[in-house]
Amino acid sequence: GENVEQHPSTLSVQEGDSAVIKCTYSDSASNYFPWYKQELGKGPQLIIDIRSNVGEKKDQRIAVTLNKTAKHFSLHITETQPEDSAVYFCAASIQYSSASKIIFGSGTRLSIRP
Amino acid sequence: EPEVTQTPSHQVTQMGQEVILRCVPISNHLYFYWYRQILGQKVEFLVSFYNNEISEKSEIFDDQFSVERPDGSNFTLKIRSTKLEDSAMYFCASKGAGAGYNEQFFGPGTRLTVL
Repeated sequence: GENVEQHPSTLSVQEGDSAVIKCTYSDSASNYFPWYKQELGKGPQLIIDIRSNVGEKKDQRIAVTLNKTAKHFSLHITETQPEDSAVYFCAASIQYSSASKIIFGSGTRLSIRP
Repeated sequence: EPEVTQTPSHQVTQMGQEVILRCVPISNHLYFYWYRQILGQKVEFLVSFYNNEISEKSEIFDDQFSVERPDGSNFTLKIRSTKLEDSAMYFCASKGAGAGYNEQFFGPGTRLTVL
């Protein structure tokens, strides 16, 4: 079945610096790649997503890139702020007409040092 | 902004007891999901539900698990005879229909502790 690998498991960056989280997926049929932020005691919240027909997407300080050939995708957070501290999950899904499960990576705990 | 809600926030039960976790999905959504997250681990898919039937389930979702949408608004997950290893956060999610609807909206979760 589909498997999503994520690294690093923990990441500590100085406030204002950039953070990069990388993921790989195994099923070449995957066509939707969401990124979730999970704060303590809360459910995963979507922060950005990308579909397989797009190589890059940006939303303010957050950008995602997708390399379909290599089955790699990455999250880039620029100008990090203390409120960016959380656990981030990459995920992959095969979207079709009926319900589509999401396969999560193992998570990255991001800490922003003041 | 509409959101998925879950009750209770924390459930403590004895091994072998039945539990029912409740979710109210976003009102116009048609696809419903349960995921679980064992402490410190990744979020794992359990089951998807559409048109009053299970669309897909994982190997975790064995005969001890069942889902139901009893009244058109609630979506429940029942564990018939809980085991210690069922202790986890359980997240409900819902999704709209149509070509542009990819995002699954997650609830805040129910922490299940089996003693």
